[in-house]
Amino acid sequence: NAGVTQTPKFRILKIGQSMTLQCTQDMNHNYMYWYRQDPGMGLKLIYYSVGAGITDKGEVPNGYNVSRSTTEDFPLRLELAAPSQTSVYFCASSMGTDNNEQFFGPGTRLTVL
Amino acid sequence: AQSVTQLGSHVSVSEGALVLLRCNYSSSVPPYLFWYVQYPNQGLQLLLKYTSAATLVKGINGFEAEFKKSETSFHLTKPSAHMSDAAEYFCAVTTGSGAGSYQLTFGKGTKLSVIP
Repeated sequence: NAGVTQTPKFRILKIGQSMTLQCTQDMNHNYMYWYRQDPGMGLKLIYYSVGAGITDKGEVPNGYNVSRSTTEDFPLRLELAAPSQTSVYFCASSMGTDNNEQFFGPGTRLTVL
Repeated sequence: AQSVTQLGSHVSVSEGALVLLRCNYSSSVPPYLFWYVQYPNQGLQLLLKYTSAATLVKGINGFEAEFKKSETSFHLTKPSAHMSDAAEYFCAVTTGSGAGSYQLTFGKGTKLSVIP
């Protein structure tokens, strides 16, 4: 199993550009999550999904959109990139049981200039 | 609501010394608690988790943590630090079942340095 994979690993965007961060998991997990990590701030939840076709906002959703058309894929869309979106983005998945261990991808480092 | 506080954003220990990373949680219901480790330029990897089966939890790489309800703590320890333990460690909490409540709330992290 590859686990959770993310592409790209690195990306530089100009202000106002858009892009999609890709996330795929091969563990047949129903739950998927997007986090952003900023230095000294831990991880903040952007959006999550409890299954195909169902998504909901996390703590910091502004400026982002998601979709979940399949169990495996959970892309994160940035429509109008801003410098405040410079961060490292992690995708994670879990079975959605009480022990809720989340499995993380390797991350995408995004810089907006 | 739930929250996690990690005391000390940066901890330095000598190789072979005890590692103690502190985590206190706030939760209105019995929590599930986790410690994750992040090596440089990598994702997060689960070290151990508390799910109410036992208060002393053993994890990978010789780490363990003890759940103390009276102190609302879940501190991470390792008897003897190794150079390979240098990483950032995150404590996280969730309250389990219920709509939307499988979300993890993370602490801000503690960066561990190991001095040779």
